[in-house]
Amino acid sequence: SQQGEEDPQALSIQEGENATMNCSYKTSINNLQWYRQNSGRGLVHLILIRSNEREKHSGRLRVTLDTSKKSSSLLITASRAADTASYFCALNQAGTALIFGKGTTLSVSS
Amino acid sequence: EADIYQTPRYLVIGTGKKITLECSQTMGHDKMYWYQQDPGMELHLIHYSYGVNSTEKGDLSSESTVSRIRTEHFPLTLESARPSHTSQYLCASSASGRYNEQFFGPGTRLTVL
Repeated sequence: SQQGEEDPQALSIQEGENATMNCSYKTSINNLQWYRQNSGRGLVHLILIRSNEREKHSGRLRVTLDTSKKSSSLLITASRAADTASYFCALNQAGTALIFGKGTTLSVSS
Repeated sequence: EADIYQTPRYLVIGTGKKITLECSQTMGHDKMYWYQQDPGMELHLIHYSYGVNSTEKGDLSSESTVSRIRTEHFPLTLESARPSHTSQYLCASSASGRYNEQFFGPGTRLTVL
């Protein structure tokens, strides 16, 4: 499959803890993107990391990319209940539409 | 304010009805997409368009059809709805260019009885 594979499928943590989710893939990419989806809603773009970048930050989000291992991780620091959502990685290859993974469901309890 | 809209948000219809799901964006994006997503599952690309009068089928076979007569409008039509079409339909758009960051509408949750 060309899609990204997120791991874990589900993650439950307490408020204030950090949440880490991973995405592995098999093809070459131009960039890798992370999206969040609240229950029953559309997806919201969180962060994009280009293939020549290794790490990127946006607020409480930190994304890493290791093209040699074909993997990426999304770290959410100091999680809040409002971070409860599904998180998807999406692969951007040249000339194709984005390829979305199956997602990680994050539950943050107070 | 630039945005992407989908109507209706919820639709319950009977088998055999013809329906059109509307999607409009005000960002002037060339590229638009339709995804199908069952609850808690991954997104499946069913149609996409890279410009006016250009449409392509996606990875997931779908009995729906789309049209792109205007840049901002990308409706999806089901000629004869069946219970197997029950799902959430997400519309998205992106600008031309290599980054391909997509903006999503709120989705239409379709139930076919």
